[in-house]
Amino acid sequence: GAGVSQSPRYKVAKRGQDVALRCDPISGHVSLFWYQQALGQGPEFLTYFQNEAQLDKSGLPSDRFFAERPEGSVSTLKIQRTQQEDSAVYLCASSLEGRVMSGSAFFGQGTRLTVV
Amino acid sequence: GESVGLHLPTLSVQEGDNSIINCAYSNSASDYFIWYKQESGKGPQFIIDIRSNMDKRQGQRVTVLLNKTVKHLSLQIAATQPGDSAVYFCAENNYGQNFVFGPGTRLSVLP
Repeated sequence: GAGVSQSPRYKVAKRGQDVALRCDPISGHVSLFWYQQALGQGPEFLTYFQNEAQLDKSGLPSDRFFAERPEGSVSTLKIQRTQQEDSAVYLCASSLEGRVMSGSAFFGQGTRLTVV
Repeated sequence: GESVGLHLPTLSVQEGDNSIINCAYSNSASDYFIWYKQESGKGPQFIIDIRSNMDKRQGQRVTVLLNKTVKHLSLQIAATQPGDSAVYFCAENNYGQNFVFGPGTRLSVLP
């Protein structure tokens, strides 16, 4: 596609519900990143994939958060037993280069998750 | 679209004036910096980057200045236009680590 696509655009979940957020990176992009952006703050790193390998998951806030990219393309961020503090915009970025994100990375529009 | 922040520091400038957005970074070992622009309801958009072996870099209408002595980064926008209204983030990277974003500054361009 023309850019990084994320779905759904908005998600409202009841506390305790599981959610899955999808990221379609730009075709051929090797690197994929997930960030969490709380209201009024800058994005915070969650996890990084190089192709299908999850090379860094140091930013995942708890074991309720899980990300995968099984075929090295589409990625899914799953949050189990959602809590109110999980409410945020979840951003995905992809990069053609196979290294830590540089200025060549493109962000999607994000998924706005609201836990009620 | 949704707001990316309700209580961010705000810089208001007249259309046509120059804007200067400042950022203090935290890690003296950071060696790569990026400025991002984020419009309401959109993801961050790359503006310009600079490596720590430089102190100035220019793009189209934008200039980034890096002062490693005081760990300070600034973004200068020449002839600010209404389309420049957005939240601006600086992000720092320590080689091999992932980016740390600053808190952001909202730029408001007045007609």
